[in-house]
Amino acid sequence: GQNIDQPTEMTATEGAIVQINCTYQTSGFNGLFWYQQHAGEAPTFLSYNVLDGLEEKGRFSSFLSRSKGYSYLLLKELQMKDSASYLCAVNSNSGYALNFGKGTSLLVTP
Amino acid sequence: GAVVSQHPSRVICKSGTSVKIECRSLDFQATTMFWYRQFPKQSLMLMATSNEGSKATYEQGVEKDKFLINHASLTLSTLTVTSAHPEDSSFYICSASGTGAYNEQFFGPGTRLTVL
Repeated sequence: GQNIDQPTEMTATEGAIVQINCTYQTSGFNGLFWYQQHAGEAPTFLSYNVLDGLEEKGRFSSFLSRSKGYSYLLLKELQMKDSASYLCAVNSNSGYALNFGKGTSLLVTP
Repeated sequence: GAVVSQHPSRVICKSGTSVKIECRSLDFQATTMFWYRQFPKQSLMLMATSNEGSKATYEQGVEKDKFLINHASLTLSTLTVTSAHPEDSSFYICSASGTGAYNEQFFGPGTRLTVL
């Protein structure tokens, strides 16, 4: 089966940096995605990694190590609006279907 | 660009009735559409993958006769929950791919189904 693990909850302070980890064990690997989801809304795309290394996009960066089955999402200069659930998802085949982790609920406090 | 709409956003129905949910890609042609279900504080669970003009591929444990999926065009897919029961109450989200640089999925706003 597919196994994708993330911490359930995290809390961080406005202006700080937070790292959300994701480990995966899947039958195949064709890329890893991070999505942001606010309560009651649809997920929105944040980042994509298919090769090892760090992808930086503004305040958000994502890292991948395929040999370790590990990724993290790094959020810098946290803002209150960053309070949301962050979903790690793996495409394990060529058909683009995604397997999602349970999501990490991030609370940003003043 | 890459906007996906869903209709209705909320629906309340009686047990035993059928409910149809529409998913549309508004500004691109979606080669593939996906249907997910999400229970409170849980992750998205893939129900089925749908390609235009062909039968949907259902995930293990999802009853294809209960959750009917039709993908009639490159911009429209529908999910019909037949003979709905209270345990079918959930947040149903569709997504579409076919235009993103990473073949990423673009999600619709979701449909909150409540079965009484």
